[in-house]
Amino acid sequence: DVKVTQSSRYLVKRTGEKVFLECVQDMDHENMFWYRQDPGLGLRLIYFSYDVKMKEKGDIPEGYSVSREKKERFSLILESASTNQTSMYLCASSLPRPGVPTELFFGEGSRLTVL
Amino acid sequence: QKEVEQNSGPLSVPEGAIASLNCTYSDRVSQSFFWYRQYSGKSPELIMSIYSNGDKEDGRFTAQLNKASQYVSLLIRDSQPSDSATYLCAVEDNAGNMLTFGGGTRLMVKP
Repeated sequence: DVKVTQSSRYLVKRTGEKVFLECVQDMDHENMFWYRQDPGLGLRLIYFSYDVKMKEKGDIPEGYSVSREKKERFSLILESASTNQTSMYLCASSLPRPGVPTELFFGEGSRLTVL
Repeated sequence: QKEVEQNSGPLSVPEGAIASLNCTYSDRVSQSFFWYRQYSGKSPELIMSIYSNGDKEDGRFTAQLNKASQYVSLLIRDSQPSDSATYLCAVEDNAGNMLTFGGGTRLMVKP
């Protein structure tokens, strides 16, 4: 069964703290993604990775960085958390196949509150 | 920037009725389109994908695509209270790497 696991369901951090959000998938998927979800704004792509050590900026990368040292693990880093980064963070993975629409598999989400 | 637009709702329909959810997109070269369902407090799950003009049916769900009008819709027949959720429209980029999501439409099916 497909499984994407996010390390923390709920986090509370203070402004200026460094925050790590971890995501692990067990499907040998090549592509991994970090989205944030805010009411009325849907899911917005922060970063994605299509291979180990590769990363691409999404629509809203400012204030974030990522790391993909192993195929199964994709980490999102907030170098200095700010209150406007309070959000639900969703990790997803996919296996691209030519000619086949890509299905994203999502983790359960990490709800981050920055005080 | 690519845009995907949905009416946020809530869309309220009685049990047994047809629910019609709509989505427009700005990137004319988009090829693949998706509908995800998200229950409150849960992560999105894929329910339909479509990439050819016309209708695609799967059980009570029908996805409709009109590339000329840049419009994709989802029909849910015989709506059930368990269909109450937020429905997210997503559009894949031409390279097949990224999905852009709409803001979602909240559907409420009343018994």
